Amino acid sequence: NAGVTQTPKFQVLKTGQSMTLQCAQDMNHNSMYWYRQDPGMGLRLIYYSASEGTTDKGEVPNGYNVSRLNKREFSLRLESAAPSQTSVYFCASSAAGTYGYTFGSGTRLTVV
Amino acid sequence: AQTVTQSQPEMSVQEAETVTLSCTYDTSENNYYLFWYKQPPSRQMILVIRQEAYKQQNATENRFSVNFQKAAKSFSLKISDSQLGDTAMYFCAFMKGGGSNYKLTFGKGTLLTVNP
Repeated sequence: NAGVTQTPKFQVLKTGQSMTLQCAQDMNHNSMYWYRQDPGMGLRLIYYSASEGTTDKGEVPNGYNVSRLNKREFSLRLESAAPSQTSVYFCASSAAGTYGYTFGSGTRLTVV
Repeated sequence: AQTVTQSQPEMSVQEAETVTLSCTYDTSENNYYLFWYKQPPSRQMILVIRQEAYKQQNATENRFSVNFQKAAKSFSLKISDSQLGDTAMYFCAFMKGGGSNYKLTFGKGTLLTVNP
């Protein structure tokens, strides 16, 4: 099915470990986004890529890095995981962005 | 920076009844878009309805409609004939028009429970 695919769906990390969350879309969308969702906080933008070859910080970028590998793929990396990064992470993509996003199914990350 | 406020953390409604979820926003922009997203227990984010700020007519999608009050910066969601499947977290979101980054700013959400 066409859409946004995130891997993995669940992950447990130890403090200080690193990992990369993968995201791929097959809708030929230009823009891609990473959000985190925490209880009582809604969704907050971590990083976004308005087009292939560009990335920009969102509201909560500290502790994260991103790579827009090509038009399809946008990865999020945690270099040294901290318990404060325990969250549900969503990737999303957008064509003509004013029509909203298509979201992936999310990754539940726990840092112990 | 834009802010989106959902003042009702939780709400409940009986099946077949009507419920209204509140959302207010703060912006100095004149060109923008507003959205309601639904997140059921499956965690998937689903677009419910979209409103263009320059359109005075309120958007409707089947049982879902909005009351868009631009001067008051209010964007409430009305769900008619509530169904058990409407049980979900609902997020209001704002997007500035123009430009090329299309960032969405979300409210903190309202958890809606539909009771049988």
